[in-house]
Amino acid sequence: DIQMTQSPSSLSASVGDRVTITCRASQDISNYLAWYQQKPGKAPKSLMYATSSLQSGVPSKFSGSGSGTDFTLTISSLQPEDFALYYCQQYKSYPVTFGQGTRLEIK
Amino acid sequence: EVQLVESGGGLVQPGGSLRLSCAASGFTFSDHYMDWVRQAPGKGLEWVGRIRKKTNSYTTEYAASVKGRFTISRDDSKNSLYLQMNSLKTEDTAVYYCVRVSGSYCIDHWGQGTLVTVSS
Repeated sequence: DIQMTQSPSSLSASVGDRVTITCRASQDISNYLAWYQQKPGKAPKSLMYATSSLQSGVPSKFSGSGSGTDFTLTISSLQPEDFALYYCQQYKSYPVTFGQGTRLEIK
Repeated sequence: EVQLVESGGGLVQPGGSLRLSCAASGFTFSDHYMDWVRQAPGKGLEWVGRIRKKTNSYTTEYAASVKGRFTISRDDSKNSLYLQMNSLKTEDTAVYYCVRVSGSYCIDHWGQGTLVTVSS
């Protein structure tokens, strides 16, 4: 199975900041990498697929990059609604696997 | 608007069975692969399995943790997805999400989830 490791596990930032979350795959997944956002008590929301393509309706403040084994999610100009849990996921091969999550908290 | 509504969750004893359903609307259900994803209380996301569409012979894939115990099926005439869970274990306790797989083979829409609690 492909292991997905996110760093950091938690991150404190202020409104207006720009933050970057890293996701590393245990083997080459090309660009088959997605990102999801989850707020407390809610279902996850799909943010991005194919490393850097935004899902419909997702603002351009979210951006993704990477290829192979190392990927990043960058969120610019943080707003209160952006503070949430973020998960990466590889869908290159079965079983589909998720990272352990990164909690983005308000400083 | 894409809608995925799960039902069928509840409390079940270890060793028991439960069948979850997911009613889909707002899109052509038969055109999409569908997955189940679960989340144990306070934990991260775990992919459970996938069912492909008719043109791919409705073939399925499962996580090792559920293979042989869980079965995913679908009824395209009813726009419905199912998860039959047998031989349930306490570690199967989780919120189960029905999710749509996009043409790019990643998840693009999530249901609200249904809670399954396995406990004596």
